[in-house]
Amino acid sequence: NAGVTQTPKFQVLKTGQSMTLQCAQDMNHEYMSWYRQDPGMGLRLIHYSVGAGITDQGEVPNGYNVSRSTTEDFPLRLLSAAPSQTSVYFCASSYQQGQLFSPLHFGNGTRLTVT
Amino acid sequence: AQKITQTQPGMFVQEKEAVTLDCTYDTSDPSYGLFWYKQPSSGEMIFLIYQGSYDQQNATEGRYSLNFQKARKSANLVISASQLGDSAMYFCAMKLSSGNTGKLIFGQGTTLQVKP
Repeated sequence: NAGVTQTPKFQVLKTGQSMTLQCAQDMNHEYMSWYRQDPGMGLRLIHYSVGAGITDQGEVPNGYNVSRSTTEDFPLRLLSAAPSQTSVYFCASSYQQGQLFSPLHFGNGTRLTVT
Repeated sequence: AQKITQTQPGMFVQEKEAVTLDCTYDTSDPSYGLFWYKQPSSGEMIFLIYQGSYDQQNATEGRYSLNFQKARKSANLVISASQLGDSAMYFCAMKLSSGNTGKLIFGQGTTLQVKP
């Protein structure tokens, strides 16, 4: 059982470049989300999706786009990379966002550096 | 404002001893859940334990227990009989029932080092 799979693990971009971070889960989870982790700030929610075809903004959505065409996949697109987007990105999923006890299952993260 | 505060940036503990990692939270919602995650140096996030706001008993999972004091708005993680493999960063997080976003609000984390 693979769980949540993120690719790539590492990426270096130049300012202005675009890229897509891939995320796939095989647990048939309705809910998927993207977080970024920065030193001293914990994890912050970028975008989330409560099901195929439904996405919404989180706490720090600027500069990122998402789509959810299938239950399994939830890619994160950086439109024009900026040094402020240097971070570790985590994709996470859970069975249902409405249940309090529905822990997030995280991917292994993507370490992105923008120069 | 909804917030999680972890006031200990770094902690040391001797192997086989118990350690408490502090977490306080702020919310006016009556219904919420509290989570602890472990992040080893390899980077993945591992779910450890959950406590619901209406749970009468403190949660336990093996060597992990959650000291939940609702009036003080604290949810401290207790690790008993520390092992070298417990060296990691630990995050406290809160999920609210309102808003239905599934969002976890994370604290800044506490780095735990277990000494042999």
